[in-house]
Amino acid sequence: EVQLVESGGGLVQPGGSLRLSCAASGFTFSSYWMNWVRQAPGKGLVWVSRVDGDGSITNYADSVKGRFTISRDNAKNTLYLQISSLRAEDTAIYYCARGSGSLDSWGQGTLVTVSA
Amino acid sequence: DVVMTQSPLSLPVTLGQPASISCRSSESLVYSDGNTYLNWFQQRPGQSPRRLIYTVSYRDSGVPDRFSGSGSGTDFTLKISRVEAEDVGVYYCMQGVRWPPVFGQGTKLEIK
Repeated sequence: EVQLVESGGGLVQPGGSLRLSCAASGFTFSSYWMNWVRQAPGKGLVWVSRVDGDGSITNYADSVKGRFTISRDNAKNTLYLQISSLRAEDTAIYYCARGSGSLDSWGQGTLVTVSA
Repeated sequence: DVVMTQSPLSLPVTLGQPASISCRSSESLVYSDGNTYLNWFQQRPGQSPRRLIYTVSYRDSGVPDRFSGSGSGTDFTLKISRVEAEDVGVYYCMQGVRWPPVFGQGTKLEIK
């Protein structure tokens, strides 16, 4: 069974940083693109970033480019999102999701709250 | 970016009645390999999203057959043949063809 478990969220001040993690199990992690998708409170889904299977190709939404960095450790079956220069509008649940062109498995999400 | 427009945004339905959600894209979603990467997701209250339909009309494992997807090019539809209480939630379409991936605004299905 595919499992994705996010962690690392929390309360952070504007301008601060966090590293989110997504532990994967139940599939060959290195064979899949992985993504981060976020959802602000009461709002819709917004794709944030993705990385290919070996970590050599990364893409970002314009709203986070230069502030967020996606990476992965295939030896640890873990996906990361380093988020910095945080703004109030980055407050959201951050989900990791598997796939490219479609997202077939999702984690339960981790909440990031940016507030003074 | 491709714009994905869903309608309606709110959908009150009587139990046992059908429901239909429309999703229109601003550009064709046909990829160079001939496939159309249009997906549908369900998000029940307090839960993470779950994919229901991929490549327009293929149901994911475990998805009841009362859910069906159809469409082509820029116009797509998710249909529920008979709504059940467990179908309450928000439904999103998502295109995975043009960069970046984009979701529709979401359609909130509720029971009348």
